[in-house]
Amino acid sequence: EAGVAQSPRYKIIEKRQSVAFWCNPISGHATLYWYQQILGQGPKLLIQFQNNGVVDDSQLPKDRFSAERLKGVDSTLKIQPAKLEDSAVYLCASTLGGGNVYEQYFGPGTRLTVT
Amino acid sequence: LAKTTQPISMDSYEGQEVNITCSHNNIATNDYITWYQQFPSQGPRFIIQGYKTKVTNEVASLFIPADRKSSTLSLPRVSLSDTAVYYCLVAESGGSYIPTFGRGTSLIVHP
Repeated sequence: EAGVAQSPRYKIIEKRQSVAFWCNPISGHATLYWYQQILGQGPKLLIQFQNNGVVDDSQLPKDRFSAERLKGVDSTLKIQPAKLEDSAVYLCASTLGGGNVYEQYFGPGTRLTVT
Repeated sequence: LAKTTQPISMDSYEGQEVNITCSHNNIATNDYITWYQQFPSQGPRFIIQGYKTKVTNEVASLFIPADRKSSTLSLPRVSLSDTAVYYCLVAESGGSYIPTFGRGTSLIVHP
């Protein structure tokens, strides 16, 4: 079974530029999460989708971050414009849903450096 | 919101049993306890989850006392490859599961 795919793996941009990350969850997984992990900290949930609907985006900085999950499969996370403090690893995860909501499968992440 | 508290770091030696305790005093009746492991430059990996008493799988055991205000992840006979950060999560009650990771416990296994 293929795991959660993310691209790119690494990205370096200058502040005020835009960047987009892509995630392809495990086939059949209804729930998709985007996390931000700053060095030395645990992952912080940015947004959670159930199919193509948003379940929670309370910690998403909506003035600069946006995310979508069209057709309930792939998802993209965008930052526009980027700030220095956005330097972090962006993780995507998915779960089957139903009774297995607690077992999340994570992708390898995208390491973003904002200079 | 059931906040969790874990030790920031722990040290052990190969072959020893390691127990990492997580406090979650405000755990709700319907909340489950889940543990993840994260290696450097990788996403977290699910280890085990439980509701009460004891759960065991091929990787670890999870002990949950009757009051459920804490839980202990037990790793038997650790090796160098168990060096990682371990996170305890408690499911938020009130409907949708909103996962909240703390800072985790950094376990270092020495030769």
